[in-house]
Amino acid sequence: EVQLVQSGAEVKKPGESLKISCKGSGYSFATYWIGWVRQMPGKGLEWMGIIYPGDSDTRYSPSFQGQVIISADKSISTAYLQWSSLKASDTAMYYCARPDRGYWGQGTLVTVSS
Amino acid sequence: QTVVTQEPSLIVSPGGTVTLTCASSTGAVTSDYYPNWFQQKPGQAPRTLIYSGSNKHSWTPARFSGSLLGGKAALRLSGVQPEDEADYYCLLYFGGAQNWVFGGGTKLTVL
Repeated sequence: EVQLVQSGAEVKKPGESLKISCKGSGYSFATYWIGWVRQMPGKGLEWMGIIYPGDSDTRYSPSFQGQVIISADKSISTAYLQWSSLKASDTAMYYCARPDRGYWGQGTLVTVSS
Repeated sequence: QTVVTQEPSLIVSPGGTVTLTCASSTGAVTSDYYPNWFQQKPGQAPRTLIYSGSNKHSWTPARFSGSLLGGKAALRLSGVQPEDEADYYCLLYFGGAQNWVFGGGTKLTVL
């Protein structure tokens, strides 16, 4: 059974850094693209970017280029989404997803508040 | 910037049939766009109903089907149930840069 399991909810202050994770199981993690999706409170889904864990080839949607970093460690079947300096506007639910078959993580709620 | 457009809202009666569509600002949607359709209910993660245009998961109810219709991706619900009331999103693939784009979502009301 394919599973994407994300790290737990985070509460951070503006300016802090953060790295959230998404661990894949039940399939060959290195050979499928895995992406990240943002959903701000009460809003729709936004595609942020995607990574191929096999060689770490990474593509960002224009709105998120330079705002976040997507990475992966294929040795532990885990993808990451990180921020170097959080803003209040980063408050959202973040999902990882495998778009080839539509597998989703359960989501990680990130709250940024002073 | 590529835009993917869905109906903002639709209303359907229980037992009825409704078709949601997903259009691209770049032109006709084809199978090369690998349309995905997701259902999201309040407080829940999205759940994939259809991937690559018309493929269903084991959990996809038979009343849901995906297709291409008039240059758009389409999600058809036949015999709508009250529990189908939800937000529905499409996701299209735009090729080489591994760029995927979501539609704005359709709020489906069963009334």
